[in-house]
Amino acid sequence: AQSVTQLGSHVSVSEGALVLLRCNYSSSVPPYLFWYVQYPNQGLQLLLKYTSAATLVKGINGFEAEFKKSETSFHLTKPSAHMSDAAEYFCAVSRRNQFYFGTGTSLTVIP
Amino acid sequence: DTGVSQDPRHKITKRGQNVTFRCDPISEHNRLYWYRQTLGQGPEFLTYFQNEAQLEKSRLLSDRFSAERPKGSFSTLEIQRTEQGDSAMYLCASSSRDATEAFFGQGTRLTVV
Repeated sequence: AQSVTQLGSHVSVSEGALVLLRCNYSSSVPPYLFWYVQYPNQGLQLLLKYTSAATLVKGINGFEAEFKKSETSFHLTKPSAHMSDAAEYFCAVSRRNQFYFGTGTSLTVIP
Repeated sequence: DTGVSQDPRHKITKRGQNVTFRCDPISEHNRLYWYRQTLGQGPEFLTYFQNEAQLEKSRLLSDRFSAERPKGSFSTLEIQRTEQGDSAMYLCASSSRDATEAFFGQGTRLTVV
């Protein structure tokens, strides 16, 4: 079955520090992979997606993610955290017309 | 097109009542999904339409839940005889035929009291 695992349900970083949110997927073939962000009481907004093209994917708001097949990982990074990055982040995989989500990582940015 | 639209944004209902939510997808998208999200969890798949055909339903979708997409455009999700455990955020998403990404609405937050 398709699934994603997000390591760390809560991550805290200082403003200006590196953001690293971890996601590992289980799949026998490279899937489509996504990172979504969710602000309180809002829907999910797509940050970036991997669809078998470049392994380093750049998204909105300065985020990027690298697809590593050997590690079955798709970690999300941002060089310098901003207060506005505080939100819930979800990794997702798409296969056979379905989207499967991880349990989410709550990012706190400390001033 | 302003994206996926859901109505209402919030719904408070008494246990045992029926509720209906509406989702208007992005107009050119033929795929529409319903998800349920409880506090501290990721969205859980409920059901999926391609045009007006409901192609897949999760085991989470008990017989009290029914979804329709009669003309292949907007969709409704009805919950009959609501229970407190139905309290959650109900998210709708749509995608194009190649399903390379899903676009989400703002969600409907249901509270059953």
